[in-house]
Amino acid sequence: SAVISQKPSRDICQRGTSLTIQCQVDSQVTMMFWYRQQPGQSLTLIATANQGSEATYESGFVIDKFPISRPNLTFSTLTVSNMSPEDSSIYLCSVVVPPGLGVMAGELFFGEGSRLTVL
Amino acid sequence: AQRVTQPEKLLSVFKGAPVELKCNYSYSGSPELFWYVQYSRQRLQLLLRHISRESIKGFTADLNKGETSFHLKKPFAQEEDSAMYYCALEAGGSYIPTFGRGTSLIVHP
Repeated sequence: SAVISQKPSRDICQRGTSLTIQCQVDSQVTMMFWYRQQPGQSLTLIATANQGSEATYESGFVIDKFPISRPNLTFSTLTVSNMSPEDSSIYLCSVVVPPGLGVMAGELFFGEGSRLTVL
Repeated sequence: AQRVTQPEKLLSVFKGAPVELKCNYSYSGSPELFWYVQYSRQRLQLLLRHISRESIKGFTADLNKGETSFHLKKPFAQEEDSAMYYCALEAGGSYIPTFGRGTSLIVHP
């Protein structure tokens, strides 16, 4: 399995500022994902972050708004730039680990999330 | 493109009653289907996967390709089953699932 730590767990920010969320994994993983979780809506994939390459963004998300870093196989950051109240959400870091003892192929592991409120 | 539909935002039952959380999908290939669960103040975690064909915490889910459904069922709901449940579809070995919007299950005592 994988244990994922996210920081900050929550924050209240002013409109127009930027916030960087950190994601630390206790094992080396190739694929890391950033999701947005909004009440009453599905988990929405923002981007896939692979070490050593540019992040791949899903439709509706752009690098200028959500720049991502992936400096090594255990760490990633997501920045929410120039925030507006519409960015208020929970942001989740997630990883896929190779199948092994007790882990099914394709199983995602999630961080506890970073709850962001933009005033 | 694939899509996952969970028609119920909220499902409310009494303890001991049967529960069925609905999930329908659209995908032209052979899907991998999952149910994830998020209990209050806990992180999202995998509940079960169709290929495993196992029962977890009394829950089962059968893939019905004819109806393109993967409903989650439990014959006797317990209060500790109260949580948010997400159905997810993974296509083509991408390891990147598409999630439904989630169903909040509340089990009353």
